[in-house]
Amino acid sequence: RKEVEQDPGPFNVPEGATVAFNCTYSNSASQSFFWYRQDCRKEPKLLMSVYSSGNEDGRFTAQLNRASQYISLLIRDSKLSDSATYLCVVNRGNNDMRFGAGTRLTVKP
Amino acid sequence: EAGVTQFPSHSVIEKGQTVTLRCDPISGHDNLYWYRRVMGKEIKFLLHFVKESKQDESGMPNNRFLAERTGGTYSTLKVQPAELEDSGVYFCASSRVREPYEQYFGPGTRLTVT
Repeated sequence: RKEVEQDPGPFNVPEGATVAFNCTYSNSASQSFFWYRQDCRKEPKLLMSVYSSGNEDGRFTAQLNRASQYISLLIRDSKLSDSATYLCVVNRGNNDMRFGAGTRLTVKP
Repeated sequence: EAGVTQFPSHSVIEKGQTVTLRCDPISGHDNLYWYRRVMGKEIKFLLHFVKESKQDESGMPNNRFLAERTGGTYSTLKVQPAELEDSGVYFCASSRVREPYEQYFGPGTRLTVT
């Protein structure tokens, strides 16, 4: 079993839709969590950190459930520019990061 | 603030040759990481430097890979001799040693071994 699991998708949604991605992690000692986005043939870019209390940044909301070892990302009012692969990243401690394989999102007109 | 830079952006070499990849982290970031993504797979950790010291090199696939960070600034990753399965995109990332620990990635080096 992979340490960080994501639904690979692809998710194909129309503009304006709301879409949610899920991620589970197996190492209960993991300390911090992040969502990155990666555009085709580009490097991963930090989208947002995920805090225990949940956090929101514009149309993006991240949630963490430590008991279930589960992280989510919600995108509201999807834009064409949101099309990318979304990577769930877990810090196991000492800045030892583990990546999920990513969930591919395509937003269509 | 300048981002993480990597050189070269692409490299095509033959099996058995040697390639050296370079990474310049963000100024002031003592943590430096190397990752690799092979086609269709997730990004995998290779190793982690704190300044010039190797903190964790558990992800290095074998002894054909050698990473250095002399002086605690830029880092190099040498593959010698290269094999076909070494093909992929090699990313470097850097972060501070205190919070926030977010890692910032370079654009990657796409390595093709033929």
